[in-house]
Formats: sequence, C-alpha cells, structure tokens
Amino acid sequence: SAVISQKPSRDICQRGTSLTIQCQVDSQVTMMFWYRQQPGQSLTLIATANQGSEATYESGFVIDKFPISRPNLTFSTLTVSNMSPEDSSIYLCSVVTGAGTGELFFGEGSRLTVL
Amino acid sequence: AQSVSQHNHHVILSEAASLELGCNYSYGGTVNLFWYVQYPGQHLQLLLKYFSGDPLVKGIKGFEAEFIKSKFSFNLRKPSVQWSDTAEYFCAVSSSASKIIFGSGTRLSIRP
Repeated sequence: SAVISQKPSRDICQRGTSLTIQCQVDSQVTMMFWYRQQPGQSLTLIATANQGSEATYESGFVIDKFPISRPNLTFSTLTVSNMSPEDSSIYLCSVVTGAGTGELFFGEGSRLTVL
Repeated sequence: AQSVSQHNHHVILSEAASLELGCNYSYGGTVNLFWYVQYPGQHLQLLLKYFSGDPLVKGIKGFEAEFIKSKFSFNLRKPSVQWSDTAEYFCAVSSSASKIIFGSGTRLSIRP
C-alpha cells in the first residue's frame, strides 16, 4: 500500500490566481497520476506525472493550464493556473506502487473553490 | 482509447434487496478491471479487482463482480445490501499503459 499526503487539503482562491498542490508519498512509486473530481461527478484523469520528464496530459488538459512537476519518485506538484470558477473541484493525487497489483491509491484530495 | 460506461446513475434499494450495478468497457486489448467505492465524505477505496484467472471476483464487504469478456462487462453484485452500503460506486479499467480510467459512477441509496 501507499500513504499519500496532499497539501493544501482545501483552499479558497480568487479568479485569475494560481495554486500549487503538493503530493508526497511515503514510498517510491512507479506511477503517479493527477485526477480531478468536479462536484457530483466522476474522476477525470488530468495527466500522468513522469519522473524526470514532462507529464503526459489527457485530451482536454494542457501544460500551460496544469503544469506538473515530479522531481523524484515520491513527490509531485500540480499547479492550477489562472483559475476560474470552473476549476472549482477536488484534485486528487494517486499512485500505483511497484508491487504489481495495479491498484490505485488515493490521497485525501485538495478541495479548491474559486470565487 | 479505453472508456468505461456505467448506465445506472442512481439506484435506490431497500435493505436486504439484491444489488447489481452495470459496467461496460471498450478496449480491444488486455485490461485490468476495478470497482471503487466512495462513502460520503471519504476518499475512494478499492472494493475489488480483476487481473486474470477466475472471472468471478470476490471483494470486501460481501461484494463480488463477474468479468464477462464476450460482453465487455464487469458488473458488481451483492446479494443483500445494508444501509451502510450507501455510497458512490465507480467502475474503472486500466490497460497496458497503466493509467486507470473511471466510469461516471453510480450513486447507491439504501432505504433503512
């Protein structure tokens, strides 16, 4: 298993500002992902955070809006840039460990409200 | 590209009723299949998963799911639900690319 810590757990932001979410894992993991869960909806994959290289973004998500860093095997950040109310959501860091189970572990999430 | 469909958006049952939630996926290759549950105010937890072998998979809390390859389905079942099963249920699929794609979710409400 993996224990994932996300900061901040929640924040209220002003339109046009940017916020960086941090994700720390208690062990080295092979795969790290960032998801978004908008109110009352399912999880949408934003990108796969690749260690030492640029993230791989899903359709509809771009690096300018959601820059991602992954400097090592236990840490990643997601920045939500130039926020608008439509970005109000829960942002979830998740990992697949190297144990081969393929199971996705989730952090508690970061609940962002954009005014 | 892989995708997951959950046709039931909201299911309402009485306690002790039987449950079946539908899940269909589209992907031509080998897949791994999951059901996750999100209880009110909590984060996602894994209920069960299928990688290979016996297509009938048993998970926690009395849940089970059956992988039917010919139908591209992975339906979730429980013979007798409890009030504490009230939650959102998500079917998910991963392929060789390892990323996991989620269905739209089914909200389950249990009447006491």
